[in-house]
Amino acid sequence: QVQLQESGPGLVKPSQTLSLSCAVSGGSISTGTYYWSWIRQPAGSGLEWMGRISTSGNTNYNPSLKSRLTISMDTSKDQLSLKLTSVSAADTAVYYCARGRATGRSHDFWGQGTLVTVSS
Amino acid sequence: QSALTQPASVSGSPGQSITISCSGSFSDVGGYNFVSWYQQHPGKAPKLMIYDVTNRPSGVSNRFSGSKSAYTASLTISGLQAEDEAYYYCSSYTDRSTYVVFGGGTKLTVL
Repeated sequence: QVQLQESGPGLVKPSQTLSLSCAVSGGSISTGTYYWSWIRQPAGSGLEWMGRISTSGNTNYNPSLKSRLTISMDTSKDQLSLKLTSVSAADTAVYYCARGRATGRSHDFWGQGTLVTVSS
Repeated sequence: QSALTQPASVSGSPGQSITISCSGSFSDVGGYNFVSWYQQHPGKAPKLMIYDVTNRPSGVSNRFSGSKSAYTASLTISGLQAEDEAYYYCSSYTDRSTYVVFGGGTKLTVL
């Protein structure tokens, strides 16, 4: 059973960089027909797909975030990373990492999520 | 504004069946058989309930079923139980650069 666990600071100041990690266990992030996404959810709102990285390291980003977002992976640690620059209050949300099926783009395993608040 | 349109809320009594709709366009729901549905209880991560329009992951009750007609996908829950009370989100493959799109979510209340 694949398990994902997000970690990172819960509070980030405006204009700074938000950095999160996602540890994957129960499977390697560099094998299989999967990809790994970051998805966020502002309080009381719906889900927003942010971007993804494939097992080969190729990335795709939501155009609305592309200029500020970097997703990377460390295969030696089975870990994903997210960096979002120049954050504002609008970036306050619960951030999830999730495994996506290469065909169809559904996400079958999710982390429990981590709340990030952007505030001075 | 979400790319996919869902009703804000639906309700039903225990034992009844309900259906949640998810409307999109030719670029997503209408053009591909890659609609998925997620259940989210308060404070919890979403859980995949249906993928590729009609398929249930292992462990998901067969009370949950999915379908699609033209640009609208549907999630049907039969034999409603109290534990089904949650938010439900649809999602779809899209050929737009947004890659994956979600609906705004539907709150299911079990009366």
